[in-house]
Amino acid sequence: NAGVTQTPKFQVLKTGQSMTLQCAQDMNHEYMSWYRQDPGMGLRLIHYSVGAGITDQGEVPNGYNVSRSTTEDFPLRLLSAAPSQTSVYFCASSYSTGYNEQFFGPGTRLTVL
Amino acid sequence: DQQVKQNSPSLSVQEGRISILNCDYTNSMFDYFLWYKKYPAEGPTFLISISSIKDKNEDGRFTVFLNKSAKHLSLHIVPSQPGDSAVYFCAASLGDGAQKLVFGQGTRLTINP
Repeated sequence: NAGVTQTPKFQVLKTGQSMTLQCAQDMNHEYMSWYRQDPGMGLRLIHYSVGAGITDQGEVPNGYNVSRSTTEDFPLRLLSAAPSQTSVYFCASSYSTGYNEQFFGPGTRLTVL
Repeated sequence: DQQVKQNSPSLSVQEGRISILNCDYTNSMFDYFLWYKKYPAEGPTFLISISSIKDKNEDGRFTVFLNKSAKHLSLHIVPSQPGDSAVYFCAASLGDGAQKLVFGQGTRLTINP
């Protein structure tokens, strides 16, 4: 099992550009989520999905879109990147909701100039 | 408004001694608490958790203590080993499982030989 994979590992964007951060898991997990980590602030939940076709907002959803067309993939879209979106982004998955451990991907470091 | 706080950004401990990492929270509705460990360039990995109905949970060298009246939890690592050097995040959940987490800022633990 590859677990949770994220691409790219690093990305530099200019203000106003769009891009998609990819996340995939091969553990047949129903639940997937996106967090961002900023210095001195810990991880904050952006969006999450409890299954294919179902998504919802987390704590800091503004500026990001998600969709979940398959169980395996949960891409995060930045429609018009802003410097405030410079961060490290982590995707996570778990077997289902409830008290199940979340598995995190290695992260994508994004810089917006 | 930081609902979960780790007030020590860093901690240095000698190998073989006890490491104690602390975490405070403000929301009394949190009912499940977790500790995650993170190495550089990797995603966080689950370490140990505790339900609010307990005051202690132990797993090998790791013990988590919960003091609900003080809204405080701590992670004890005994004995500390060089491989324990990492950033440790405290996280809390609002009664709906272990997915939508609120994280603390993290504490960098360094174990010195």
